[in-house]
Amino acid sequence: EADIYQTPRYLVIGTGKKITLECSQTMGHDKMYWYQQDPGMELHLIHYSYGVNSTEKGDLSSESTVSRIRTEHFPLTLESARPSHTSQYLCASSEQPGSPSTDTQYFGPGTRLTVL
Amino acid sequence: AQKVTQAQTEISVVEKEDVTLDCVYETRDTTYYLFWYKQPPSGELVFLIRRNSFDEQNEISGRYSWNFQKSTSSFNFTITASQVVDSAVYFCALRSAGNKLTFGGGTRVLVKP
Repeated sequence: EADIYQTPRYLVIGTGKKITLECSQTMGHDKMYWYQQDPGMELHLIHYSYGVNSTEKGDLSSESTVSRIRTEHFPLTLESARPSHTSQYLCASSEQPGSPSTDTQYFGPGTRLTVL
Repeated sequence: AQKVTQAQTEISVVEKEDVTLDCVYETRDTTYYLFWYKQPPSGELVFLIRRNSFDEQNEISGRYSWNFQKSTSSFNFTITASQVVDSAVYFCALRSAGNKLTFGGGTRVLVKP
């Protein structure tokens, strides 16, 4: 099981502020993911990375950006937060043991973001 | 394209009742993996089980059991003798080619004492 951490757990911030949500994992997993979860529960993939210096946009368009400079770290940044960004953000990581379809994603505790 | 459907948005039971959560999936791939995750009120997603498309054996883990039926593209989850701590949102998910996980909409389970 992966050890994956997210900070902060809760963040309330005003419109226009720049924020960075942190995600770290200690298992050396190559793959990392960011999901946005609506209040109505549905999860949407917004970014993913298959390794250092690799980042891709997910299925749901997002104004956020990500970076992957170190294997264990996958921060998400919003340059100018807006109320529409209010959501829960979940980070996950997984390891590919050899087959492209065998890895399991393990999730962090999430960051609940509220933009006023 | 992949799709996962959890038709039940919310289920309410009284403690000790059994509860079954339905999951129906669509994929054109012959190799794929199915997952169940639990999301308690604290917010994190907890991995419960992974099943590959070639293994149709049902699985039991304590009070949890899973019924995978490829013929009907279903991967249902049963909690036996439910407890208040089982109250959570449960997600079914599918992953095939491309490594991305497709989640169902989730089923909220409320177990009343």
